[in-house]
Amino acid sequence: ELKVEQNPLFLSMQEGKNYTIYCNYSTTSDRLYWYRQDPGKSLESLFVLLSNGAVKQEGRLMASLDTKARLSTLHITAAVHDLSATYFCAGGAGTYKYIFGTGTRLKVLA
Amino acid sequence: DTGVSQNPRHKITKRGQNVTFRCDPISEHNRLYWYRQTLGQGPEFLTYFQNEAQLEKSRLLSDRFSAERPKGSFSTLEIQRTEQGDSAMYLCASSPNIGAQNTEAFFGQGTRLTVV
Repeated sequence: ELKVEQNPLFLSMQEGKNYTIYCNYSTTSDRLYWYRQDPGKSLESLFVLLSNGAVKQEGRLMASLDTKARLSTLHITAAVHDLSATYFCAGGAGTYKYIFGTGTRLKVLA
Repeated sequence: DTGVSQNPRHKITKRGQNVTFRCDPISEHNRLYWYRQTLGQGPEFLTYFQNEAQLEKSRLLSDRFSAERPKGSFSTLEIQRTEQGDSAMYLCASSPNIGAQNTEAFFGQGTRLTVV
């Protein structure tokens, strides 16, 4: 069964700095999703990565997928306070299921 | 249609009572999911519907849990004889069925259950 691991689990960073969140998964999956969750809120879809080598960018966030290494990354460029949230990656299992990692709680300090 | 709608948003119940949650997915989304999320964890898959058919149930879903989607539109999740360990956020999500390709799921705001 697909297992998804993220690291780090907690990340505290200064505004303006760059950092990367890593998402490893255990078995073959050619679909990887990134979500954002604010405290007490639901999950907001950020990126859908559907093929090896896929790269997507939105504002200060860039996500990539390497299916051979079973690795996805979420890169944060010049962090701002508004990016503070918990970020989840999820692998696609089978044709319909999503398996989530434990999340990375990001805090951007002014 | 503004998204996946869940109610109630919060539910406090005494141990041993039954509770029922409702989920209204995005219109025309064939796929509907229930997930459970506890503090500091990612969402855990509970069950999946393709239209009105319940195609998969997680081992996490004991026989006290039952879910339905009678007309392929809204869904209900019932928990019988609640236990303190059932306290969690219950999330509903839906996605369109575009062939067999997995697409992103859109999540509702969740129902936070507290069993006292």
